Amino acid sequence: KAGVTQTPRYLIKTRGQQVTLSCSPISGHRSVSWYQQTPGQGLQFLFEYFSETQRNKGNFPGRFSGRQFSNSRSEMNVSTLELGDSALYLCASSLGPAGTGELFFGEGSRLTVL
Amino acid sequence: QQQVKQSPQSLIVQKGGISIINCAYENTAFDYFPWYQQFPGKGPALLIAIRPDVSEKKEGRFTISFNKSAKQFSLHIMDSQPGDSATYFCAAGAGSYQLTFGKGTKLSVIP
Repeated sequence: KAGVTQTPRYLIKTRGQQVTLSCSPISGHRSVSWYQQTPGQGLQFLFEYFSETQRNKGNFPGRFSGRQFSNSRSEMNVSTLELGDSALYLCASSLGPAGTGELFFGEGSRLTVL
Repeated sequence: QQQVKQSPQSLIVQKGGISIINCAYENTAFDYFPWYQQFPGKGPALLIAIRPDVSEKKEGRFTISFNKSAKQFSLHIMDSQPGDSATYFCAAGAGSYQLTFGKGTKLSVIP
C-alpha cells in the first residue's frame, strides 16, 4: 500500500512569490491535514480537509490556503511568501477525522524562502 | 484551550536507562492521546496511543501513563536504545477538533 506522497520535496522561492504544494493521501483515506514544522515550534496545524470540506483551520494568515479534490488529493498554497515561511510542510492522511485516529504523514516539502 | 504543553525540550539518556517525556493538555473534550516518533528526514509516525478509559497502555518497551484528573499524560521508554534517538511528539484530539501536537522532545540515547 503506497504511503502519503508529497511533491515537490524541496523548493526554493524568493520573497513575494507564491508556492503550491501537493499531497496524495493513502488510497481510501478521506481526511488530509497540513502542518508547518519549524525548529522549536514543533508541528503547527494549518488546516484539515475531510471529503473536500475544510473541517478546521489553524491560526495562520489568509496567505495560507488549501483545497481538497474529489479523489482526496490536496494542495496548499502560500501567496506573497515571507522569509518566516521557510519550513517543512507536512501532509498527513487518515481514514476518518484527524482528531480521532492515526495520522499517516508524508516526508514533507521543505520550502526555503530567500 | 487547544494547547498541548510538552517537556522536556531535549533529553539525554544512557543506554539501558528510562526516558520519560511529559505532556499536559487543557481541553477536557480531548479523548485521543497519541505519541509520534520522528527520525531526521522523515515524517512523524505513530508510536503508541491511548484513550481516557484506561490509565496505562504498554507496547513493548513503550508505555503511556494517563492522568485524566490532572490532564496529563507521559511516555516512558524502558531500556532505552541508541536506535530510539529521535524527536517525540505528544498530541491530543477529539472528533470535532484537529490533532494538536506538543512542541517535541529531542531524545538522544548515548551508548
